[in-house]
Amino acid sequence: DIQMTQSPSSLSASLGDRVTITCRTSQRVGNSLNWYQQKLGKAPKLLIYAASSLQSGVPSRFSGSGSGTDFSLTISSLQPEDFATYYCQQTYTIPPSFGQGTTVEIK
Amino acid sequence: QLQLQESGSGLVKPSQTLSLTCAVSGGSINSGHYSWTWIRQPPGKGLEWIGYVYHSGNTDYNPSLKSRVTISVDWSKNQFSLRLSSVTAADTAVYYCARVFPGGGSQLDYWGQGTLVTVSS
Repeated sequence: DIQMTQSPSSLSASLGDRVTITCRTSQRVGNSLNWYQQKLGKAPKLLIYAASSLQSGVPSRFSGSGSGTDFSLTISSLQPEDFATYYCQQTYTIPPSFGQGTTVEIK
Repeated sequence: QLQLQESGSGLVKPSQTLSLTCAVSGGSINSGHYSWTWIRQPPGKGLEWIGYVYHSGNTDYNPSLKSRVTISVDWSKNQFSLRLSSVTAADTAVYYCARVFPGGGSQLDYWGQGTLVTVSS
């Protein structure tokens, strides 16, 4: 199974800050890496698919990059509605696996 | 707009079988080349993939659950289902169903709201 390591596990940031979350996979996954946002009590929401493609309807302040084993999700200017937990997911092999999550909190 | 809705028993006794259904509306479950999946999330923890049912009707399961899980699809009712046998407290979680968009990311683009299943006597 492919292991996923997200960092940091949590971070505190202010409105307008640029935030970057990283995801490292234990094996190369090409670009089969997706990012989701989850707010408390809600289902996850797809933000980025195939490492760098922005899901329809997702604000352009979200971007993804990387390939192979190292990936990142960047929020260019943090907004109030962005405080949430973010998960990466690899779909390169079965079983698809998720990172442990990164919680973005208000500083 | 595609919508997914989980339903089923919210309380299951240890050693019994958990059964959930995901009803899909706003589109046909048999259209395109979509697959469908179940994901679960124990309280306060991360996301765990349970399994896929593919457009072909074939399935793949998480090896950690494979001996206990069955995912099936009812094309005529536009729904798919999850059965997990011999449950323990460790199976207590919010269970989500989702659609798998085919392509490089095999991303989960539509999700149900989730349903909490508690395993307790």
